[in-house]
Amino acid sequence: DGGITQSPKYLFRKEGQNVTLSCEQNLNHDAMYWYRQDPGQGLRLIYYSQIVNDFQKGDIAEGYSVSREKKESFPLTVTSAQKNPTAFYLCASTPSYVTATSVEAFFGQGTRLTVV
Amino acid sequence: KQEVTQIPAALSVPEGENLVLNCSFTDSAIYNLQWFRQDPGKGLTSLLLIQSSQREQTSGRLNASLDKSSGRSTLYIAASQPGDSATYLCAVRPWSSNTGKLIFGQGTTLQVKP
Repeated sequence: DGGITQSPKYLFRKEGQNVTLSCEQNLNHDAMYWYRQDPGQGLRLIYYSQIVNDFQKGDIAEGYSVSREKKESFPLTVTSAQKNPTAFYLCASTPSYVTATSVEAFFGQGTRLTVV
Repeated sequence: KQEVTQIPAALSVPEGENLVLNCSFTDSAIYNLQWFRQDPGKGLTSLLLIQSSQREQTSGRLNASLDKSSGRSTLYIAASQPGDSATYLCAVRPWSSNTGKLIFGQGTTLQVKP
């Protein structure tokens, strides 16, 4: 079955640590996204990538970094510079916004990150 | 700046009722609107996608409508069941964005009581 796989499901980070969240998709989508979800707030865009080897900052990119070396993979690193990283992180993908006629977004199951 | 609002924030209904969830957006220049379902601690499941040129979409007991001129969308759930209990999110893709970015509402949490 095609879909988006996020791992791990739960992640605990100590103060000062960098941690990396994995996102893999087999939908052959060109674009991938990372969103953050906090209680009482809508999802907010962290980073997005329209094509391999290219990515752009979203609305709340400070303290995060990404890479896009393969079409299928878009890992997110939460660095020690992110002051409040405890949240639910969701990865999404879509067909190319430029070429597709129906750009439906698909999401993974999420990773819950907690600072300990 | 595009803003998306969902009212009510929470809704509790008895099983079997037909119900309507509301979504409003401030800028009618959208590419499409998408409704999602989210179960506690889980990711988002896409329910319906409405392109800007469409007025409604249907899938099973779900029907979503779109009125761009008034900046509104509704999600109609027929004959609700306890399994429909979840948070429902709507999101729009602005025309001004060439990124595929979605703007989300805060969701409506639905509880269907047996």
